[in-house]
Amino acid sequence: GESVGLHLPTLSVQEGDNSIINCAYSNSASDYFIWYKQESGKGPQFIIDIRSNMDKRQGQRVTVLLNKTVKHLSLQIAATQPGDSAVYFCAEKGGSYIPTFGRGTSLIVHP
Amino acid sequence: SAVISQKPSRDICQRGTSLTIQCQVDSQVTMMFWYRQQPGQSLTLIATANQGSEATYESGFVIDKFPISRPNLTFSTLTVSNMSPEDSSIYLCSVAAGEGEKLFFGSGTQLSVL
Repeated sequence: GESVGLHLPTLSVQEGDNSIINCAYSNSASDYFIWYKQESGKGPQFIIDIRSNMDKRQGQRVTVLLNKTVKHLSLQIAATQPGDSAVYFCAEKGGSYIPTFGRGTSLIVHP
Repeated sequence: SAVISQKPSRDICQRGTSLTIQCQVDSQVTMMFWYRQQPGQSLTLIATANQGSEATYESGFVIDKFPISRPNLTFSTLTVSNMSPEDSSIYLCSVAAGEGEKLFFGSGTQLSVL
């Protein structure tokens, strides 16, 4: 289940399940959105991006959904694996060349 | 994509000293960024490192505390000066490259100040 701790929200899932990580963004002018994965001891890695003229984009085992009406972004990971355990950040860009990062969600995959 | 080498990967420093973090990119990039990531937190932009001019600092960060160099289009350094335990954090170098100007990150420098 999903819980909000003192720091990062945490999502715990069983291996093989699908995971959905959510992100609410604040700037209605944002037109480009990115998901990053950060494993322990590493820098964030690009996963997938989507522009505001789309509402869905699929990658390998990952899908990003964008709902501009409610300013909501989600990352779906199919058949979650232990290697997917990491912190996931959404980022938004609009106007500025610098993205704004969300708070992050810690995904824990139990074998 | 861009490959970024950042060093040191970690360091333990004494209060009052300074540490310089280096960032090397495998291609020429216009914009390089320095971020701070405190434990369990998201990424906070410290400054944008501009080649040939002074860095542009975000609110709450000043040049005297975080001097930055950008001598060419593939290299930058960030110095954390007169360190205190509150500076203990992960410092990340980043560049904007590719379609959509997505950011690529180095592996980070884990700094602990005693």
